[in-house]
Amino acid sequence: GDSVTQMEGPVTLSEEAFLTINCTYTATGYPSLFWYVQYPGEGLQLLLKATKADDKGSNKGFEATYRKETTSFHLEKGSVQVSDSAVYFCALSDPGTGGFKTIFGAGTRLFVKA
Amino acid sequence: EAGVTQFPSHSVIEKGQTVTLRCDPISGHDNLYWYRRVMGKEIKFLLHFVKESKQDESGMPNNRFLAERTGGTYSTLKVQPAELEDSGVYFCASSQLQTQGYTFGSGTRLTVV
Repeated sequence: GDSVTQMEGPVTLSEEAFLTINCTYTATGYPSLFWYVQYPGEGLQLLLKATKADDKGSNKGFEATYRKETTSFHLEKGSVQVSDSAVYFCALSDPGTGGFKTIFGAGTRLFVKA
Repeated sequence: EAGVTQFPSHSVIEKGQTVTLRCDPISGHDNLYWYRRVMGKEIKFLLHFVKESKQDESGMPNNRFLAERTGGTYSTLKVQPAELEDSGVYFCASSQLQTQGYTFGSGTRLTVV
């Protein structure tokens, strides 16, 4: 079945460092891909999305490109801030084969130090 | 607009007791979903409502879990009787269109002791 694999955390960076969180997926159809973020004490928020190959999703300085050839959707940010400390979840939704449910990765916790 | 609201935010119950979680989706969102995250693992799908109808309940772990969505508005998720392995964070989400992604509530942290 469909699945999402993302790098294990925690990831600890200094402020203004470059961030990459790797995410790869397995899907039989043509899924939409998402990154969600959970800040401390809050619910999950949709950070960005891409619905087809080569699409680039971006928001709040974060971006991710839907790479069908490598089945990847890596999250990147050029300069992280302390306020970016959170848990990041990669996810896919494949209505053609998986119905309307979303498959999530295990989450990657990011700590940013001042 | 008001977001997705869940309550209680925390619940601690003894094994064998009953707990009911509630979710109020964003007004006008026909799609309502329940997910849970157990022991810091993946967030797992439980079920999906379209209005008041269960579209997909393939993720419900067993018949101790009962979800309802009366009138297609708020939803409840009842666990009866609760077991230790039911502990985790239960998330509710809603959406108008599936491809837009979800709006999640803050979750209910359930601890069964």
